[in-house]
Amino acid sequence: KQEVTQIPAALSVPEGENLVLNCSFTDSAIYNLQWFRQDPGKGLTSLLLIQSSQREQTSGRLNASLDKSSGRSTLYIAASQPGDSATYLCAVIGAGNMLTFGGGTRLMVKP
Amino acid sequence: DAGVTQSPTHLIKTRGQQVTLRCSPKSGHDTVSWYQQALGQGPQFIFQYYEEEERQRGNFPDRFSGHQFPNYSSELNVNALLLGDSALYLCASSLGGGGNEQYFGPGTRLTVT
Repeated sequence: KQEVTQIPAALSVPEGENLVLNCSFTDSAIYNLQWFRQDPGKGLTSLLLIQSSQREQTSGRLNASLDKSSGRSTLYIAASQPGDSATYLCAVIGAGNMLTFGGGTRLMVKP
Repeated sequence: DAGVTQSPTHLIKTRGQQVTLRCSPKSGHDTVSWYQQALGQGPQFIFQYYEEEERQRGNFPDRFSGHQFPNYSSELNVNALLLGDSALYLCASSLGGGGNEQYFGPGTRLTVT
């Protein structure tokens, strides 16, 4: 059974810092990995999708990497802003096209 | 281009009642998945519908059932509601199988009293 873990569970940083969110998964037989952002009480916004054959994806200030063999992914956020405050969720897609999520990292960026 | 839509936004029900939640997928998508998200946790997979049939199911009891219509929209039904069913119910759509990107709707907040 696939298990996804995200560390840290919560993070508070001052504005402008670069930061790294971590995600690990137990079964390396995945199709791809997706990072999401969730604002309080809202749905999920897809940030980046990394195919299993890829090593990283970039979108603006966000960069996500994937090391399938070690079961790890990181989400790098450059020059953090207060508007980045949200919960960030990592999910892997395995057989059957179902997403298995981690518990999320709650990020607070202080002005 | 319309994204994934869900209705209603909020719902309050009493224990033992039944509820139906609705989802319309993103234009061009044919697969709908449902997830339950308890407060402070990551979403949990309930089931997935493709070509009007349940293709995959997570670890949820038979009280949770669903349906997909010919226009790809979907319903989630929960019978005999329990307090523990209180959660945010999320619908996601994608195109076919094979691990394609999934797009989520805003969710339905269900409160069971």
